This record gives sequence, C-alpha cells and structure tokens, in this order.
Amino acid sequence: GAGVSQSPSNKVTEKGKDVELRCDPISGHTALYWYRQSLGQGLEFLIYFQGNSAPDKSGLPSDRFSAERTGGSVSTLTIQRTQQEDSAVYLCASGSSGRGYEQYFGPGTRLTVT
Amino acid sequence: GEDVEQSLFLSVREGDSSVINCTYTDSSSTYLYWYKQEPGAGLQLLTYIFSNMDMKQDQRLTVLLNKKDKHLSLRIADTQTGDSAIYFCAETNAGKSTFGDGTTLTVKP
Repeated sequence: GAGVSQSPSNKVTEKGKDVELRCDPISGHTALYWYRQSLGQGLEFLIYFQGNSAPDKSGLPSDRFSAERTGGSVSTLTIQRTQQEDSAVYLCASGSSGRGYEQYFGPGTRLTVT
Repeated sequence: GEDVEQSLFLSVREGDSSVINCTYTDSSSTYLYWYKQEPGAGLQLLTYIFSNMDMKQDQRLTVLLNKKDKHLSLRIADTQTGDSAIYFCAETNAGKSTFGDGTTLTVKP
C-alpha cells in the first residue's frame, strides 16, 4: 500500500516569506508526527496529533510555526516569516496504536531559506 | 524532558559484527525502536522491542535491552556495505517518541 508522502520534496524560499509543507499519512493511521532534522543532526520533535485529541505542540520552536490536521488525515505545517535557521529537512511520520505507535516516515521536505 | 543518547560514529569492516549502543532516561518507556536512515531518505523502522523483553532476534539483527540500566543495543551480524547508514534509537511512551541523535555506521570493504 501507499506509504507516507510529503510535498514538496524541496522548497527554496526567501527570508520573511511563509511556507506550507504537506503530509499525507498512511490511511487509517491515527497518529501523525512532524519532526525537523537539521544537517547532520538528530530529529527534533515538533508536534504530534493523535486522533481527535488536542495536539501536543510542545516541540514547536516559536509561534511562527503551526500545524493542522484536517479530517484526521492530511496535515499541513506552516512556517510564517521564515528565517535562515528554519532551513532543515522536515519529516512527517504516521502511526497507529498497534505495536506501540511505530512510526512510518515520509521522505521529507528539504526547506532552504535564502 | 526525556533523553536518548547514542555514540555518534561507528566504523567496522565488512563481515564483522556491529554493535550500536543507546541509553535512555524514561523508565516508563513501553517500546524501544531502531530506525535506519539512508542518505536523502526518511527513517525506516528496522526493529523494535517491548519493554518487558530482554532480547529480540530478527535475521541479522539482535536487540538487547537492559531495563535496569536503561541500555539498548543493536547488533548487526555479518555487516555489509549496504548497512552503511545512520541508525536512530527511539523510546516511546504514550504514543510520543524521543529519538537519539543517530549513530553513523560506516562499513569498510
């Protein structure tokens, strides 16, 4: 079946512009996660959606970052007024409660802020 | 917050065994995972272990868990050049995971 997909795969934007990154999770997965991975670094947790519960936003680095998940499926991560330090690969993952929420990752969106 | 620590680099010769180590702090972790990331790709789940297990074997992979010391290891037998990648340890509690910074495994022919 289809895995997690993310779009765009690459995004170059000018400092100060807003960007939207999209994630299509695996159908039926109740959990959806966003992470940020800077060059040569590990994964930085951003936000976690679980079913209809309020999302865990504890990882969002500033109020310029927001995310929503519509209809329990597709999610959009929005970064407003982008800064150069926002340049990174943004990874989305989805999962379900079986086997402790093992996560299936998308290929990521590489964001470059110039 | 919770923390997961891994050594950053490991280099082995093709055919040798690789052992990647990880420590974590959350004593309430229910599942622990190993993920593999190849260049330019997302993370791929390799294997997992439930917190009440000591060992799990899956083909060339052996996971050992010492819950008392909060230490997890991944052993790759007969390491191949295709195993070169970054390996991430992760712990999960109530659906939310904390990842280590990854261990870069280099396999030399």
